[in-house]
Amino acid sequence: EPEVTQTPSHQVTQMGQEVILRCVPISNHLYFYWYRQILGQKVEFLVSFYNNEISEKSEIFDDQFSVERPDGSNFTLKIRSTKLEDSAMYFCASRRTGIINEQFFGPGTRLTVL
Amino acid sequence: QKEVEQNSGPLSVPEGAIASLNCTYSDRGSQSFFWYRQYSGKSPELIMSIYSNGDKEDGRFTAQLNKASQYVSLLIRDSQPSDSATYLCAVNGGTSYDKVIFGPGTSLSVIP
Repeated sequence: EPEVTQTPSHQVTQMGQEVILRCVPISNHLYFYWYRQILGQKVEFLVSFYNNEISEKSEIFDDQFSVERPDGSNFTLKIRSTKLEDSAMYFCASRRTGIINEQFFGPGTRLTVL
Repeated sequence: QKEVEQNSGPLSVPEGAIASLNCTYSDRGSQSFFWYRQYSGKSPELIMSIYSNGDKEDGRFTAQLNKASQYVSLLIRDSQPSDSATYLCAVNGGTSYDKVIFGPGTSLSVIP
């Protein structure tokens, strides 16, 4: 069964550094998403991406964040100048086209900002 | 204003019993409703989706939707210890179709 994959599984960085989190969505999916989950808290929507542009973003997704689909398979989340409060699990998700918004999640990247 | 609410639990049920999980949402225009299961330290796993009022059954799981009451529930029949996890209610549609809002989750513990 096809799966969303994410790398790395764990990223440790120093405050102020830039990180790039990588995702490979399910191959026939065309909608891509990033979510985050701070330890002990709920899953929070960050951004949705379709047809090489952002279709929706939350108030969390400010200028510090950007997303990109650099090639036909990868989908990335860049966090510039990381802050301590960016420490969280970051999940990538994807879905097919159509009105059914069933999203399938990758295993996540645990980001630790020191 | 909270958008998706769930009882945080923990909810404990004996093995073989029915577990009942509840969720309410605030956006009346919401169109799609999902239940995800999340084991500790893992990612959310989609287990049920429901779009119309009424019941939808899939194996031991039944999702129920009542749009007038803005209420979604998940029943797990014949609960197994492997069902012990946090169950996340998620809702989208309304003003933001592509944005899925998650509830805080209900922790379920199935006691052997």
